[in-house]
Amino acid sequence: GENVEQHPSTLSVQEGDSAVIKCTYSDSASNYFPWYKQELGKRPQLIIDIRSNVGEKKDQRIAVTLNKTAKHFSLHITETQPEDSAVYFCAASELPGGYNKLIFGAGTRLAVHP
Amino acid sequence: KAGVTQTPRYLIKTRGQQVTLSCSPISGHRSVSWYQQTPGQGLQFLFEYFSETQRNKGNFPGRFSGRQFSNSRSEMNVSTLELGDSALYLCASSFGTGKGNEQFFGPGTRLTVL
Repeated sequence: GENVEQHPSTLSVQEGDSAVIKCTYSDSASNYFPWYKQELGKRPQLIIDIRSNVGEKKDQRIAVTLNKTAKHFSLHITETQPEDSAVYFCAASELPGGYNKLIFGAGTRLAVHP
Repeated sequence: KAGVTQTPRYLIKTRGQQVTLSCSPISGHRSVSWYQQTPGQGLQFLFEYFSETQRNKGNFPGRFSGRQFSNSRSEMNVSTLELGDSALYLCASSFGTGKGNEQFFGPGTRLTVL
């Protein structure tokens, strides 16, 4: 069935370092890949997304890359700050057929130390 | 623009009871998806409603059901509650069409089953 694997499960970095989180999806039909950030006790917030017709997308310190052949996509955070500390989830879905059925990875707990 | 709202925020029930959770989407959004979040299983898709019709369904037992009203508000119902149903239940809304599939989450309803 549909599956999204996410690594690592925990990531600890020093402030100013880069952080990379990787995901692999199983369903070849997946074509939409959002990333969510969830701070403790809060709702998941969409931080960036990418569709399968592009290989990379950037938004300030955040970037996402997609390798459709390998079914991999990754989140890159540069110049990390303590407020980046949170759990990050990758997800995949098929548009339009899968509509809004997001299959989530297990999450990565990122800790940024001052 | 007001965000996604969910009521109630917290619920305590006992095994065998039933519960109804409510979700009000962002104005103009016609799609509402429901997710269950637990420490062990992560974020799992329950179902999606669009224009009062269930458009997609996850792998949950029939005890989990939902509906959507003409104003796009959605409810989900869990009957014959089990201890394992204790979780944070999140809803997310989107336009649900080519206009935009980004999903925005509500704050969740934390259900505790005793």
